[in-house]
Amino acid sequence: DSGVTQTPKHLITATGQRVTLRCSPRSGDLSVYWYQQSLDQGLQFLIHYYNGEERAKGNILERFSAQQFPDLHSELNLSSLELGDSALYFCASSPNRGASSYNEQFFGPGTRLTVL
Amino acid sequence: GQQVMQIPQYQHVQEGEDFTTYCNSSTTLSNIQWYKQRPGGHPVFLIQLVKSGEVKKQKRLTFQFGEAKKNSSLHITATQTTDVGTYFCAGGAYSGAGSYQLTFGKGTKLSVIP
Repeated sequence: DSGVTQTPKHLITATGQRVTLRCSPRSGDLSVYWYQQSLDQGLQFLIHYYNGEERAKGNILERFSAQQFPDLHSELNLSSLELGDSALYFCASSPNRGASSYNEQFFGPGTRLTVL
Repeated sequence: GQQVMQIPQYQHVQEGEDFTTYCNSSTTLSNIQWYKQRPGGHPVFLIQLVKSGEVKKQKRLTFQFGEAKKNSSLHITATQTTDVGTYFCAGGAYSGAGSYQLTFGKGTKLSVIP
C-alpha cells in the first residue's frame, strides 16, 4: 500500500459523458501527478500540481482538466468522453522536499475507466 | 519534446537466466528513475540515478546511468518468478521554459518461465 488513494476503482460510462476521478496523496506530500496508462502507450504524463498550483502539463487533452484543493486532494475531470479515453488513470504523489523535481513518486491503485 | 525509448518491449526468459532492459533518451537527462509494475498493480519506485556513469545495485538488480546521461539499463541476474512484471524507466529533464518533467518509457514486460 503506497498511501495514495484513488476513487473510484472502476468507472463505466458512455461516450459524451463527463466523469471526475479523485486522488488523495500520501500524508505530507504536496505534489500530485496524473498519468494515463493504455495498453500501447505506456504511462503518459498528464499534469502535475504542487501545493495547489499547476507545475507542469504533459499530453493532456483540452477536454481534461485537473485541480488540487487546499486539503491537497486532487481531481481529474474528463469531459466529452470518447472511446479512446478508456484507460487506467493513475495518480501519484511525491515527498515534500520543496518543489524539487528529483523525488520518487508513489502511485495509487488507479481508476480503470471504460467508455462504451 | 523529450522522448524516452525503452527496449525490448517484451522479454521471456527461463527462470535463472539474466535479463536486461535498456532506456534511451533523446535529450540529456537530469536523473533517471526505475519503476516496476506487477500484473494488475501500480508502478512502484525502485531506484533513482543522478550522476553520470552511476551504478547502483539492489540484490540481483543492477542499474546503470550512462556517461552522457542519455541512457540507462537495468540488469537482473538469475531471474526468479517474483521478478515478473513491467519495468519502466523514467527520465527527468527540464524544458526550455524551465519546468521539470518526468517522461516514462513504454516499459519492458518480463515473463519468467519456471
